[in-house]
Amino acid sequence: AQTVTQSQPEMSVQEAETVTLSCTYDTSESDYYLFWYKQPPSRQMILVIRQEAYKQQNATENRFSVNFQKAAKSFSLKISDSQLGDAAMYFCAYSGRGSNYKLTFGKGTLLTVNP
Amino acid sequence: ETGVTQSPTHLIKTRGQQVTLRCSSQSGHNTVSWYQQALGQGPQFIFQYYREEENGRGNFPPRFSGLQFPNYSSELNVNALELDDSALYLCASSFSGEYQETQYFGPGTRLLVL
Repeated sequence: AQTVTQSQPEMSVQEAETVTLSCTYDTSESDYYLFWYKQPPSRQMILVIRQEAYKQQNATENRFSVNFQKAAKSFSLKISDSQLGDAAMYFCAYSGRGSNYKLTFGKGTLLTVNP
Repeated sequence: ETGVTQSPTHLIKTRGQQVTLRCSSQSGHNTVSWYQQALGQGPQFIFQYYREEENGRGNFPPRFSGLQFPNYSSELNVNALELDDSALYLCASSFSGEYQETQYFGPGTRLLVL
């Protein structure tokens, strides 16, 4: 079974600074996808960024980028120029063809942004 | 383009009762997945529906059941409610073709079982 581990229960960052959230995963599949979702207090799960395992290039979306290390099974999220609106719970998630693309989530990292 | 919607937003039930939660998928999506998120935890996969049939199930008992309708909307039914069923229930829709694309989530239904 696939597992996703987020080792940082809480992180904080100053507004306009950069923060990196860590995620590791375990799988025997070769065809899979990795995601970062954001869940603010409003509770709606919002997609932040997606990475296909077959792509060597790290995904980027504006201020959000990932460091995907396939051999190490590591998938960290970097948030640049942090904004107050980035404060939320961040979940790392795995999805693979062998498991019908169900999402397996980590336990989450609560990000606080200090003004 | 309409996003994923869920109803109701909140629900209070007593132990032993039955509940039905509803989800309307995003336009163009044909797959619906349901997740249970206990307080302070990441979401756990309950099951997925594709072409009106169950297409994968997580570690949940049979009293958790579902339906998908021809318009791709879906229901989650839970019988004989237990206190531990109190959670946020999330629905996610996606398009499945050669592979399944990204899942987009609805706002969730908060269920409290007393």
